[in-house]
Amino acid sequence: GENVEQHPSTLSVQEGDSAVIKCTYSDSASNYFPWYKQELGKRPQLIIDIRSNVGEKKDQRIAVTLNKTAKHFSLHITETQPEDSAVYFCAASPGGSYIPTFGRGTSLIVHP
Amino acid sequence: DAGITQSPRHKVTETGTPVTLRCHQTENHRYMYWYRQDPGHGLRLIHYSYGVKDTDKGEVSDGYSVSRSKTEDFLLTLESATSSQTSVYFCAISEVAYEQYFGPGTRLTVT
Repeated sequence: GENVEQHPSTLSVQEGDSAVIKCTYSDSASNYFPWYKQELGKRPQLIIDIRSNVGEKKDQRIAVTLNKTAKHFSLHITETQPEDSAVYFCAASPGGSYIPTFGRGTSLIVHP
Repeated sequence: DAGITQSPRHKVTETGTPVTLRCHQTENHRYMYWYRQDPGHGLRLIHYSYGVKDTDKGEVSDGYSVSRSKTEDFLLTLESATSSQTSVYFCAISEVAYEQYFGPGTRLTVT
């Protein structure tokens, strides 16, 4: 089955800095890669996703990049703000599967 | 937020008692999932459903059972609760086998 590794487990940055979270996957058939943000005490919420036919996708201050050859994808947050503080999860889904495999999460702390 | 609710939101129960958690959706989505979330483990899949009365096991299904008699409801039962099942339980739904939408979660404590 699919295996997703996520690094780092904790990331601490100053407000205004950039943050990068990386994930690797094992199943070359995976073709959908979502990212979820979970604020303290809240539910995970989809913030951005990318499909394997695209190398990069941006939405305001967040972007995701995908390297299919190396089997890794990354979340980039620019100009971080305190409200970006949360746990971020990556996931990977093989084509035709409705069962995503999640990474273990990254706790992002943005210091004012 | 998608129309997805969970009940109860909090529950404290004793070891050995049965517990049922309910997930209810108003989106008519086909797929429904139960996850547990524990520190350091992320989201782990317990069971999932791909239609009414169609369910299957996830990676941490021991000690849990599920039922889905209607599209909108997916029940998770802990047959005999143990302290290791103390966790936060999330239900999720999806329609196109890609984007998942999560419920608000149920915090379960087994004493």
